[in-house]
Amino acid sequence: DGGITQSPKYLFRKEGQNVTLSCEQNLNHDAMYWYRQDPGQGLRLIYYSQIVNDFQKGDIAEGYSVSREKKESFPLTVTSAQKNPTAFYLCASSLSGGEPQHFGDGTRLSIL
Amino acid sequence: QKEVEQDPGPLSVPEGAIVSLNCTYSNSAFQYFMWYRQYSRKGPELLMYTYSSGNKEDGRFTAQVDKSSKYISLFIRDSQPSDSATYLCAMSNTGGFKTIFGAGTRLFVKA
Repeated sequence: DGGITQSPKYLFRKEGQNVTLSCEQNLNHDAMYWYRQDPGQGLRLIYYSQIVNDFQKGDIAEGYSVSREKKESFPLTVTSAQKNPTAFYLCASSLSGGEPQHFGDGTRLSIL
Repeated sequence: QKEVEQDPGPLSVPEGAIVSLNCTYSNSAFQYFMWYRQYSRKGPELLMYTYSSGNKEDGRFTAQVDKSSKYISLFIRDSQPSDSATYLCAMSNTGGFKTIFGAGTRLFVKA
């Protein structure tokens, strides 16, 4: 079955620690995205990538970093510079930019 | 003015009711109009999408787009308790990178 796999499902971060969230897709989609979802708020775009080895900042990129070395993979690192990292993180992909996106089941990040 | 407006609800209906969910938007360049369903602690699931204008039907679900009014709707017929979820509308334009999401409407269908 084609889809998007995010891992881990739950993640805890200590102060000063960087953590990496995994996102893998087997839909053969070119574009991939990372969103943050906070209670009562809509989805906010962190980073997006339209092709391998290229990515762009979204609306709230500060304190986050990404890489896109393979078409199938788009990991997100939450750095210690992100002072309020507790949120539900969602990865998505689409055939190309602007087309309907498909989502993974998210990673919930909390602070220890 | 927000690019998309969606009533957060909650909307509570009895089982079997017809549900109407709506969004208004401001950018006339949008071409894709999507509806997502999100259960608690899960990612949004793409329910339906329409390209340009018009209606689309899939089982109990009907999506409508009125570009002249910048208004989109999702109708759910014969609603079931399993339809209880948050429904997000979304819009984008071809070749763009940004999809605009509504904040979501929380729906409760009572048995």
